[in-house]
Amino acid sequence: ILNVEQSPQSLHVQEGDSTNFTCSFPSSNFYALHWYRWETAKSPEALFVMTLNGDEKKKGRISATLNTKEGYSYLYIKGSQPEDSATYLCAPDSNYQLIWGAGTKLIIKP
Amino acid sequence: EAQVTQNPRYLITVTGKKLTVTCSQNMNHEYMSWYRQDPGLGLRQIYYSMNVEVTDKGDVPEGYKVSRKEKRNFPLILESPSPNQTSLYFCASSPEGGQHSTNYGYTFGSGTRLTVV
Repeated sequence: ILNVEQSPQSLHVQEGDSTNFTCSFPSSNFYALHWYRWETAKSPEALFVMTLNGDEKKKGRISATLNTKEGYSYLYIKGSQPEDSATYLCAPDSNYQLIWGAGTKLIIKP
Repeated sequence: EAQVTQNPRYLITVTGKKLTVTCSQNMNHEYMSWYRQDPGLGLRQIYYSMNVEVTDKGDVPEGYKVSRKEKRNFPLILESPSPNQTSLYFCASSPEGGQHSTNYGYTFGSGTRLTVV
């Protein structure tokens, strides 16, 4: 069973600032990494699925990088907006099962 | 609209009274899964199904049952609910399970908040 850690647990960011947070996971038996965005009172929505070391994916102002050798992924948000307020979940896929981190709760201050 | 539909959204019940949470998807997905989410913890998998009539235990299956008689439906059954099953439950689906899930994301239902008193 993987130990998935997301840091920080919560983050307050001023509107317009850029930010990033981390997902750490054991690098053995890695197959893929999922990032999800979860708004309060809604269901998690898939952002990225990444498989290759050095992979970088982008969706609007949000991007993610992956380092499978050292076991981490960064999620970046450029020019934060109030609608970015959500909990961001990562889940490495190992042995055909997703193991979920507890999430980073991002709050954008106007 | 492609979606995963869970019912009910909210449920308060008493200890020992059998209940079923329904989950239905209209995307012809093969893979379906149930999770529970508790404060401070990541989503924990209860049961999953790779296809019709195929179900497997996840990390926390005790006290739960599932069935997959049709591709679109994957109900979660609590035969004798207890207060420690008070949680937020999510159903999710994906075109394929296992290693093929990496090609897609998971589509989640809107969640069921269950309180057992």
